[in-house]
Amino acid sequence: GAVVSQHPSRVICKSGTSVKIECRSLDFQATTMFWYRQFPKQSLMLMATSNEGSKATYEQGVEKDKFLINHASLTLSTLTVTSAHPEDSSFYICSARARTGKGSPLHFGNGTRLTVT
Amino acid sequence: AQKITQTQPGMFVQEKEAVTLDCTYDTSDPSYGLFWYKQPSSGEMIFLIYQGSYDQQNATEGRYSLNFQKARKSANLVISASQLGDSAMYFCAIETGTASKLTFGTGTRLQVTL
Repeated sequence: GAVVSQHPSRVICKSGTSVKIECRSLDFQATTMFWYRQFPKQSLMLMATSNEGSKATYEQGVEKDKFLINHASLTLSTLTVTSAHPEDSSFYICSARARTGKGSPLHFGNGTRLTVT
Repeated sequence: AQKITQTQPGMFVQEKEAVTLDCTYDTSDPSYGLFWYKQPSSGEMIFLIYQGSYDQQNATEGRYSLNFQKARKSANLVISASQLGDSAMYFCAIETGTASKLTFGTGTRLQVTL
């Protein structure tokens, strides 16, 4: 089945540093990937849509300069949290579709738990 | 804009019993899809079942079935013969038009007891 790999699974960083999270589609190509954020005991909130070879599309209220997205190949999208602060601590999870068309589910990575100290 | 509402923050069910998790939605788009995902404590999101707005029959996938009532805008998930491993968060989500992105509800935490 379609597999999305996300790395790292956990990261602790100091305030002011940047953190890069990788999302790879292992057995399919993904022209589009989605980045979600989930606060404890809350729902998933879409942050941005990552488009291969072009700029990402950010949801309202998401700072594009803070959350840099690069989708340089058909199998890799990266999310960089720049100048991280404690309020950026959260669970970040990426997803992609293995096929187009109605009913094709999003396949999710295992998520990255970011803690900013 | 589309919206998903899950009114049950938590549910308990006894092992081997069936349980229904509620989901209502709101969208003005005539073409949409409804998804259910399971999120265990480990965090991964596991796809369970899909229902298209034009599908005539309720979707079923093994022990999962979707009670789709279009007029009431509800898409409840029914889990039959609950197992201890079914304990997790369950999210309902909607996709509309060509946006391809999913909007999630707030989730229901299901606990299966002996």
